[in-house]
Parts: sequence; structure tokens; C-alpha cells
Amino acid sequence: EAGVAQSPRYKIIEKRQSVAFWCNPISGHATLYWYQQILGQGPKLLIQFQNNGVVDDSQLPKDRFSAERLKGVDSTLKIQPAKLEDSAVYLCASSLEWGQGAETQYFGPGTRLLVL
Amino acid sequence: GESVGLHLPTLSVQEGDNSIINCAYSNSASDYFIWYKQESGKGPQFIIDIRSNMDKRQGQRVTVLLNKTVKHLSLQIAATQPGDSAVYFCAEDNYGQNFVFGPGTRLSVLP
Repeated sequence: EAGVAQSPRYKIIEKRQSVAFWCNPISGHATLYWYQQILGQGPKLLIQFQNNGVVDDSQLPKDRFSAERLKGVDSTLKIQPAKLEDSAVYLCASSLEWGQGAETQYFGPGTRLLVL
Repeated sequence: GESVGLHLPTLSVQEGDNSIINCAYSNSASDYFIWYKQESGKGPQFIIDIRSNMDKRQGQRVTVLLNKTVKHLSLQIAATQPGDSAVYFCAEDNYGQNFVFGPGTRLSVLP
């Protein structure tokens, strides 16, 4: 079974530029999560989708971050404009479904973003 | 010694010894807990989980203990191997919707 795919693996941009990350979850997984992991910290949930609907985006900085999952499969996370403090690893995870209790999440390798 | 912020708490153990990694969680209503292992450059990997109606659960070389009274979770790794070197995170469920991750502990296995 293929795992969660993410691209790019690395990205370096200057502050105030825009950047987008892509995630393809495990086939059949209805729930998709985007996390931000700052160096030395645990992952922090940014947004959670159930199919193509948003379940939780309470920690997403909506003035600069946006995410979509239009067809309920792939997802993109965008930052516009980027700030220095956005330097982090952006992790995508997926799980079978939500609503049956918290389900085990499977993580992709992450995209490492450096904002200069 | 331990420190927080940019410097993860670190546990150093001799190869072959047992490791115990601890985690304090915040929500007494949390019903489900997971331990993840994260190797350098990779995403977190599921190790073992436990529900709140259990005190202990065993896997292959790993055991998770849950003490709900003091909101404490521990991960025990038997006969620690070099491949166990990684950062370990506990995660507690957030009202059955998603997870909140702890700050992590770095495990270093010494030859």
C-alpha cells in the first residue's frame, strides 16, 4: 500500500513570497490533515478535512495560509505571503475516517520550508 | 539534563538496555493516545496506541502504560537498538476529532 505522498520535499523562498505544498493521501482515506512542525517541537494541526469539507481550521493563520481539497483526494496548502517564522516542516497525514473516534493517522515525509 | 524550546529533552541509553519515555497529557477527557516515532527527515510513524479503558498495552518490544489519575503516559522499549534512535511523541485525542502532540523526547542509543 502506497503511503502519503508530499511534494516538494524542500523549498527555500524569501519572505513575502508565496509557496504551495501538495499532498496525496493514502487511497481510501477520507480524512486529511496538515500540520506545521517547527524545529524542536511536536506537530501542530493547521487544518483537517473530511472528504472535501473542513472539519477544523481553528489554528490556521487565515490571513496568510489557505488550503483546499476540492475533489476530496489531493490537497494543497498555500502560504501567501510567507514570513520568517513560517520556516518549518509541513506534514500531511491521512486517516480512514473521522466520526468513529480519533483514528490513527499516517504521515507523509513532509516538506521542509526555509524562509529567508 | 533536560531543556525545553529548541532543545528537546533527551534520553540516552546503552544499546540493549530498556528505555522509558514519559509524557504528561493535559485533557482528562482524552480517550485515546498514540505514540509516534520520528526519524530525521521523515514524518512521524505510528508505534502503539492505547484507549483510556486500558492501563497497559504491549506490542513487539514496546509497552505503553497509562495512568489516568495523574494524566501520565509512558513508552517502554525493551532491549533498545540503534535503530530506535529517534524523537518520540505522544499524542492525545482532541475530543475524538484529531490529535494534540506533545513536545517530544529524543532517544539516543549509545553503542
